[in-house]
Amino acid sequence: EAGVAQSPRYKIIEKRQSVAFWCNPISGHATLYWYQQILGQGPKLLIQFQNNGVVDDSQLPKDRFSAERLKGVDSTLKIQPAKLEDSAVYLCASSLTSGSIYEQYFGPGTRLTVT
Amino acid sequence: SQQGEEDPQALSIQEGENATMNCSYKTSINNLQWYRQNSGRGLVHLILIRSNEREKHSGRLRVTLDTSKKSSSLLITASRAADTASYFCATAGSGGSYIPTFGRGTSLIVHP
Repeated sequence: EAGVAQSPRYKIIEKRQSVAFWCNPISGHATLYWYQQILGQGPKLLIQFQNNGVVDDSQLPKDRFSAERLKGVDSTLKIQPAKLEDSAVYLCASSLTSGSIYEQYFGPGTRLTVT
Repeated sequence: SQQGEEDPQALSIQEGENATMNCSYKTSINNLQWYRQNSGRGLVHLILIRSNEREKHSGRLRVTLDTSKKSSSLLITASRAADTASYFCATAGSGGSYIPTFGRGTSLIVHP
C-alpha cells in the first residue's frame, strides 16, 4: 500500500515569510497527525485530526500556525509568519484508530529552514 | 512534555554485536512503542508492547517492559550497518491520552 506522502521535502524561507506543507495520508486512515521535530529531539505533536475534525491542538502555536483537513483526507499545515525557531522537520502521520492502540505511519517529512 | 527518556543518548558498536537501548518513563502507560528513524527519512514503527505484556519479539528485535520500574529496553541482536539510525520510544495512555509521546531518542551507529 502507498505510504504517507508529504511535500515539499525541503523548504528554505526567510523569517516573517509564510510557508505551507501538504500531507496525504494512507487511504482509509481516519486519523492524521502533524509533528514538529527539532534537531536532536523527538517529534512533538502539533495537531491531531479525526476525519476532518480537530481532536487535539493544545501544542499548536495558534498565533502563527494553522492546519486544516478538508474532506477528511489531505491536510495542510501553514506557518505565518515564520520565526527562526520554527526550523525543524515537520512530520505527518496517519493511523487507523483502533481502540486505545495507535500505530502511526509516518511520511518522510518536510525539512524547514528559516533564515 | 516528553514522557519517555532513552538511554544512552548515543551508542557505537561493531557489526555483529548486540545493541541495547533503554527507555524510562514517569507515569503509568497503556502501551509503549519503539520507532526507528534513518537519516533523512521518516519514523518507522518497530514494535508495540502493551502494559500487560513483559516481552515481545520481532525478527532480531526484542523488547521488554517492566511496569514496576517504568522502563523498557530494546535489544537488537547481531546488528548490521543498516541498523544505524535513531531509535525512539513513545509512550501512550498517560493522563488519558493515547497519543504516543516521544523521547529524545538514542543514536545508534553500527560500524561495518
